[in-house]
Amino acid sequence: QSVLTQPPSASGTPGQRVTISCSGSSSNIGSNTVNWYQQLPGTAPKLLIYGSNQRPSGVPDRFSGSKSGTSASLAISGLQSEDEADYYCAAWDDSLNGYVFGTGTKVTVL
Amino acid sequence: EVQLLESGGGLVQPGGSLRLSCAASGFTFSSYAMSWVRQAPGKGLEWVSVITDSGGSTSYADSVKGRFTISRDNSKKTLYLQMNSLRAEDTAVYYCAKNWEVWGQGTTVTVSS
Repeated sequence: QSVLTQPPSASGTPGQRVTISCSGSSSNIGSNTVNWYQQLPGTAPKLLIYGSNQRPSGVPDRFSGSKSGTSASLAISGLQSEDEADYYCAAWDDSLNGYVFGTGTKVTVL
Repeated sequence: EVQLLESGGGLVQPGGSLRLSCAASGFTFSSYAMSWVRQAPGKGLEWVSVITDSGGSTSYADSVKGRFTISRDNSKKTLYLQMNSLRAEDTAVYYCAKNWEVWGQGTTVTVSS
């Protein structure tokens, strides 16, 4: 089962700001950087944020990531209809010696 | 352009075996760790296994340890996942990923009698 906890859903109207939390522990988020992935319906996950707060080239600056202690968050500002997707956080876990994913958050644009 | 193309999925009976392949192109394959991640129907992402760039070190999720084996052939730029003793709960789309950054489109494994 997932080691990182996310809210199952989040929503907003176009233009609003939405924030997704990701709660972990000292062996994962507390010790390592966090990646965030966006999964559009029927497609493979796409890296959205790496190193807790870095955007790969091509990712709009509407997406931003942060980390504090054993928690991380993804913010989507200026929400757009194409942002409707599932979002997952992930980090390496030193105790499990494995990569752990969050439970996933479905973002709906109202 | 970085590309990862998985193959080898299909329908297999419980207890059976399958070998997945992931052909890489567009980057120096031998310089990156590679992983397998799976997603059961309607469920979230689950990390399966990772292998270092040289292939000298591997790690597995507890759910597949002792049944699955990850390997790579750097000369062929190909990643493999040998899956034995398959169970119904192994049914999923299997993705290969370059260093957690770029993912393939996935190959579907269905374990059913």
